[in-house]
Amino acid sequence: AQSVSQHNHHVILSEAASLELGCNYSYGGTVNLFWYVQYPGQHLQLLLKYFSGDPLVKGIKGFEAEFIKSKFSFNLRKPSVQWSDTAEYFCAFSTGTASKLTFGTGTRLQVTL
Amino acid sequence: EPEVTQTPSHQVTQMGQEVILRCVPISNHLYFYWYRQILGQKVEFLVSFYNNEISEKSEIFDDQFSVERPDGSNFTLKIRSTKLEDSAMYFCASRAPPRDTEAFFGQGTRLTVV
Repeated sequence: AQSVSQHNHHVILSEAASLELGCNYSYGGTVNLFWYVQYPGQHLQLLLKYFSGDPLVKGIKGFEAEFIKSKFSFNLRKPSVQWSDTAEYFCAFSTGTASKLTFGTGTRLQVTL
Repeated sequence: EPEVTQTPSHQVTQMGQEVILRCVPISNHLYFYWYRQILGQKVEFLVSFYNNEISEKSEIFDDQFSVERPDGSNFTLKIRSTKLEDSAMYFCASRAPPRDTEAFFGQGTRLTVV
C-alpha cells in the first residue's frame, strides 16, 4: 500500500536553528513529491514540489528538499527558521497524471523566540 | 491570485442529516478532489473527479458520499446520512493540466456532527 512516513511528530526549535524534517514514502514506481504547510487556521499551501530533474528543489520562504531515490526520501530543510515558520508540515506524493495525494501524518513545528 | 473557495467554513449538523459541502475550484482547473482531516490525524483522500466523473475514490468514500459538478463552476460533496465519525475538516482541491502541476487547496469546511 502507498504510504508516507514522517518521523518527527512535534519539533521545537529556537529561532535561527536549522531544520530538517524527515519524509519517506512507500511506492515502487515514479512519484511526484510535495511538501505542504498549514499555518494555524489556514489552508494547505504548497512549499515545494518535485516532479523530475534536479533532486534538490527549492521552495518558498527559504525551504528546500532533496529527493534521494535510493532511500525513498524527500527531507525538508531550512538553514535558519523563523518564528513565523510555526506550522504543521505535510509531506505527500502522487503518481500518474491525475492521481490523488497521499499524505504523511504531519510534523508540528514550533519555533520559539 | 486565484484560489479555491469553500462554503460554509463551519457546519454543525445532527446525526442522520444530509449535508452538502460546496467548493468553487480555480476556473481553468480540470481535476478536482475532496480530502478530509479528522482532528489530530492526517489528511486523507476521499475522491477525485475529472471530465464529469469520479476517477478514483478511497474506501472512506462509500455509498453515503457523492460528488457533483452541477453547473461547471461548483463542485459539491454530499454526505447522505451523517455519522458522528464524519466530523472532520473537509478540504476541496483542484489542479490544472498538464502533469507537473500541484493541487491548490481551499480553506476547508469544518463539519461537526452532533
